[in-house]
Amino acid sequence: DSGVTQTPKHLITATGQRVTLRCSPRSGDLSVYWYQQSLDQGLQFLIQYYNGEERAKGNILERFSAQQFPDLHSELNLSSLELGDSALYFCASSLGQGVNNEQFFGPGTRLTVL
Amino acid sequence: GENVEQHPSTLSVQEGDSAVIKCTYSDSASNYFPWYKQELGKGPQLIIDIRSNVGEKKDQRIAVTLNKTAKHFSLHITETQPEDSAVYFCAASSSGGYQKVTFGTGTKLQVIP
Repeated sequence: DSGVTQTPKHLITATGQRVTLRCSPRSGDLSVYWYQQSLDQGLQFLIQYYNGEERAKGNILERFSAQQFPDLHSELNLSSLELGDSALYFCASSLGQGVNNEQFFGPGTRLTVL
Repeated sequence: GENVEQHPSTLSVQEGDSAVIKCTYSDSASNYFPWYKQELGKGPQLIIDIRSNVGEKKDQRIAVTLNKTAKHFSLHITETQPEDSAVYFCAASSSGGYQKVTFGTGTKLQVIP
């Protein structure tokens, strides 16, 4: 158990809908990262927050947005969902924000768009 | 941006044999190279990492080598055990105050008892 929690575990929804994925980092960690893992695209970095502020952006679509709240939990919002958004979404956390900080991954949220 | 290629995509070895997974990267600014192990139904877990000022690093049965000139790095697992069976991802990242990691496509390792 990494100490990172993600809810829900599974999510099934329809095209065009909007969903919110939630992540609670390990106690004491200030950085939160979001990743998408799909069969055709592999594991892709989406976005990083550190202590409430956006720090780095990867291949995140404009339909997706994220935020980190004062209690350090984070939410990833996915809107206007398409079939291709079906994937595993992982959250990871680390103490700091730089490369010297090990990232701990949560168990993931499996999103299925029908 | 960074591009990381990983080979092979699948690897089967007999228990006790060694396994080698190779990755190449494109961005010469990359200076941090972690390796992750992902077991079925779980998130990736860091197993070893190496920074660009080091050529080799070992941790028990796992070692990683880095050739900065050729822009490639490899994971070596010796005396493989069935519990080593998993998907392994290499990754490359450049520093700059924050971590933006590019992952390889993964290698599914099967250790046959």
